Amino acid sequence: AQKITQTQPGMFVQEKEAVTLDCTYDTSDPSYGLFWYKQPSSGEMIFLIYQGSYDQQNATEGRYSLNFQKARKSANLVISASQLGDSAMYFCAMREIGTGGGADGLTFGKGTHLIIQP
Amino acid sequence: DVKVTQSSRYLVKRTGEKVFLECVQDMDHENMFWYRQDPGLGLRLIYFSYDVKMKEKGDIPEGYSVSREKKERFSLILESASTNQTSMYLCASTTGTSGSEQYFGPGTRLTVT
Repeated sequence: AQKITQTQPGMFVQEKEAVTLDCTYDTSDPSYGLFWYKQPSSGEMIFLIYQGSYDQQNATEGRYSLNFQKARKSANLVISASQLGDSAMYFCAMREIGTGGGADGLTFGKGTHLIIQP
Repeated sequence: DVKVTQSSRYLVKRTGEKVFLECVQDMDHENMFWYRQDPGLGLRLIYFSYDVKMKEKGDIPEGYSVSREKKERFSLILESASTNQTSMYLCASTTGTSGSEQYFGPGTRLTVT
C-alpha cells in the first residue's frame, strides 16, 4: 500500500489564485513528520514546510501553509496568491520517526505538477 | 550557505560498467541518503547512512551498494550497470533531529546504454 498518496498528477491554476495540493498518508507510527518539497524544471529539490505529528498548530511559512488533519491522515499544502514562479513539481513526503530518530529516509508521493497560468 | 554537491550532473555509461556517484556535504550532517527519481514514481530511497562506515538499506537497494569512509562523503556504487538503472539520482543530508529537513544535491542524470 502506498504510504503517501498525491491524487492530482497535474493542476492548472490562474495566477493570484490560491492553490491546494492534496496529500494523504498512511502510517501506524504515532510519531512522524510530514514535508513538502518543490522541484522546479531546473531539478533542485527545495524544502517548503514541515509538520510534526504532535504539532498542535498547522505549519505556515510565508505564502505556504499546511492544512494538517490528523484524523483524516491528510496534509494538504496551500499556496496563497499563486505566482508564475510557483510552477513546478510538488512532492509530499513523510518520515516515520519511531525509534529511528531523524536518520531514516523520507517516503515520497508521486508528485503534483502545478502550472500557474497568467 | 548549506551545500550538497554531486560529482556529475550528467553521466553516460555502458551496460556492465561499474559506476560511482559521489556526494559531498559541507554541513557536518550525520545522516546522508541516496534516492532515485523516475517519472511518475516520485523519489525512492536506495540507501542511507547515519554515521561513518554505517549504512542501511532503503526501499530499493538491489543492484546498488554504498560507501561512507568520511562524514562528508557518501558514494553510491552500481557494481554492474544495467539499463533499468537509467534514472536521476539525488543525494541528500540532514542532521540527526527528527524535524530537520533534508538538503538535496542537484542530482545526477545517469544514462546506461
